[in-house]
Amino acid sequence: KAGVTQTPRYLIKTRGQQVTLSCSPISGHRSVSWYQQTPGQGLQFLFEYFSETQRNKGNFPGRFSGRQFSNSRSEMNVSTLELGDSALYLCASSLGTSEPGELFFGEGSRLTVL
Amino acid sequence: DQQVKQNSPSLSVQEGRISILNCDYTNSMFDYFLWYKKYPAEGPTFLISISSIKDKNEDGRFTVFLNKSAKHLSLHIVPSQPGDSAVYFCAASGSGYSTLTFGKGTMLLVSP
Repeated sequence: KAGVTQTPRYLIKTRGQQVTLSCSPISGHRSVSWYQQTPGQGLQFLFEYFSETQRNKGNFPGRFSGRQFSNSRSEMNVSTLELGDSALYLCASSLGTSEPGELFFGEGSRLTVL
Repeated sequence: DQQVKQNSPSLSVQEGRISILNCDYTNSMFDYFLWYKKYPAEGPTFLISISSIKDKNEDGRFTVFLNKSAKHLSLHIVPSQPGDSAVYFCAASGSGYSTLTFGKGTMLLVSP
């Protein structure tokens, strides 16, 4: 089956702009999580959506937001971009049940803020 | 406050030898642990996991050991192969299985 698809793969923005990233999960997966990867901080959890509701949220400012649609596709938005927002943004999907299970990651969206 | 720590940024091993990657955690609420492997320009891929009710889990060349009293886990790769060269992330989960706390990763280089 198709994996997790993220678009766009690469993008360049300038400070103050906003950006929207998209994620299509594996078919049947209802949970979508977003992570930020930077060289200094590793992978940090942003938020998780399940059945169109934000279920968990990491420690990021309100400039970072997301949403999930009825088909489980998800978008995340970063407003008023700062240089420090340059990172690889990874989306992961899972069944989202309470049973332990791995997350399936997309290839990521590489954001560069100039 | 790093709840999952991988204190070795890098590790070099010769092909055929054992690779041991270590991970420490501080949160006692973590009860499920995973290892992910990441190649450049790709997303992380799941490798192996272990529940806190176990102390060992094997999958082919990969074995994860969990020492709950020490809050320590390790990943053993035997024998190591050049294709294993990648960044390895340790991750932990507690109340929300879709929410993982990751370490900063260890870059493994396996030389022929």
